[in-house]
Amino acid sequence: SAVISQKPSRDICQRGTSLTIQCQVDSQVTMMFWYRQQPGQSLTLIATANQGSEATYESGFVIDKFPISRPNLTFSTLTVSNMSPEDSSIYLCSVADNEQYFGPGTRLTVT
Amino acid sequence: SQQGEEDPQALSIQEGENATMNCSYKTSINNLQWYRQNSGRGLVHLILIRSNEREKHSGRLRVTLDTSKKSSSLLITASRAADTASYFCATDARNYGQNFVFGPGTRLSVLP
Repeated sequence: SAVISQKPSRDICQRGTSLTIQCQVDSQVTMMFWYRQQPGQSLTLIATANQGSEATYESGFVIDKFPISRPNLTFSTLTVSNMSPEDSSIYLCSVADNEQYFGPGTRLTVT
Repeated sequence: SQQGEEDPQALSIQEGENATMNCSYKTSINNLQWYRQNSGRGLVHLILIRSNEREKHSGRLRVTLDTSKKSSSLLITASRAADTASYFCATDARNYGQNFVFGPGTRLSVLP
């Protein structure tokens, strides 16, 4: 199993600003995943982040809006850029072997 | 597109009763996983069932998988108020060109 931490746990941001969310894993992993969970909804995969290469984005998500860094095998960041109230969600990072393990999430509110 | 679809979307039962949630999916999968989420917190992994398995148990949880019907069910027996949460199925189809895909979830309320 993997233990995943995220920072910040929550934030309230003004529209037009950007927030960078950090994800730290206690072991080296090849792939990390970033998800968004809008209020009352299920999880939607934003992108897959491999160390040493550009992230692969799912349909509907673009790098300019959600830039991702993956500088090493235990760390990744997701930036939510030029935020609007529609970006208010929980953002979760995840790693997987057979099972998928999730961080505690970052609850973002955009006012 | 949404791979996993759950029903019911919401379920309300009395403590002690059994709760059954269903999940359907569209493509071939490596495995299917069930998660619980309490009130907007992190996801807790409950159980993983591989594509060659038909049934798995873990405590009060029983999961079945029918690959011919592309469906799975999660049964919680003798429910407790602490089981109140949202339950999600997620398919792992990485060998078939898809990452993990989550269903919309079932909101379970267990009334004391």
